[in-house]
Amino acid sequence: DIQMTQSPSSLSASVGDRVTITCRASQSVTHYLNWYQQKPGKAPRLLIYTASSLQSGVPSRFSGSGSGTDFTLTITSLQPEDFATYYCQQTYSTPLTFGPGTKVDIK
Amino acid sequence: EVQLVESGGGLVQPGGSLRLSCAASGFIFSSFDMHWIRQAPGKGLEWISYISSSGTTIYYGDSVKGRFTISRDNAGNALYLQMNSLRAEDTAVYFCAREKYDSNDYSTGGGDYWGQGTLVTVSS
Repeated sequence: DIQMTQSPSSLSASVGDRVTITCRASQSVTHYLNWYQQKPGKAPRLLIYTASSLQSGVPSRFSGSGSGTDFTLTITSLQPEDFATYYCQQTYSTPLTFGPGTKVDIK
Repeated sequence: EVQLVESGGGLVQPGGSLRLSCAASGFIFSSFDMHWIRQAPGKGLEWISYISSSGTTIYYGDSVKGRFTISRDNAGNALYLQMNSLRAEDTAVYFCAREKYDSNDYSTGGGDYWGQGTLVTVSS
């Protein structure tokens, strides 16, 4: 199985900050990497698919990059509604696996 | 409007069974692959099963293989998860999700629409 790690596990940031979250796969997943945002008590929301494609309706301040084993989610100017937990997911091979999550909270 | 509504969760004893349903509306259900994903209380996300649009291709996560069965009724626009031999570690919110296709209609493995989830609690 492909193991996914994320760093940091949590971070504190202010509105307007640039935030970067890193995801690493234990082996290459080529570009089959998705990013989700989840708020407490809610279902996850797809932000980025296939590493860098922005899901419809997601603000352009979210972007994804990377390929192979190393990926990044960037939020260019953090907004109040962005405080949440972010998960990466590899879909290169089954079982599909998620990273442990990165919690972004208010500084 | 795309909607996915899970049901069937509840309290069940260890070793027991439960069948979850996911009612789909607002899209052509028979054209989309589907997933089940779960989340234990206070924990991260765990993908547990996939079924192709026709139902002919199915995958399971290691933790549920041999105990859970995914199925679908395209005529009734419903996805199911039959859960047998339930364990305490199966306690979680269970989500169904619709497969995300890219601009070339290739599967990405991701879920672009999710239900609100249904809670399964396995406890004596």
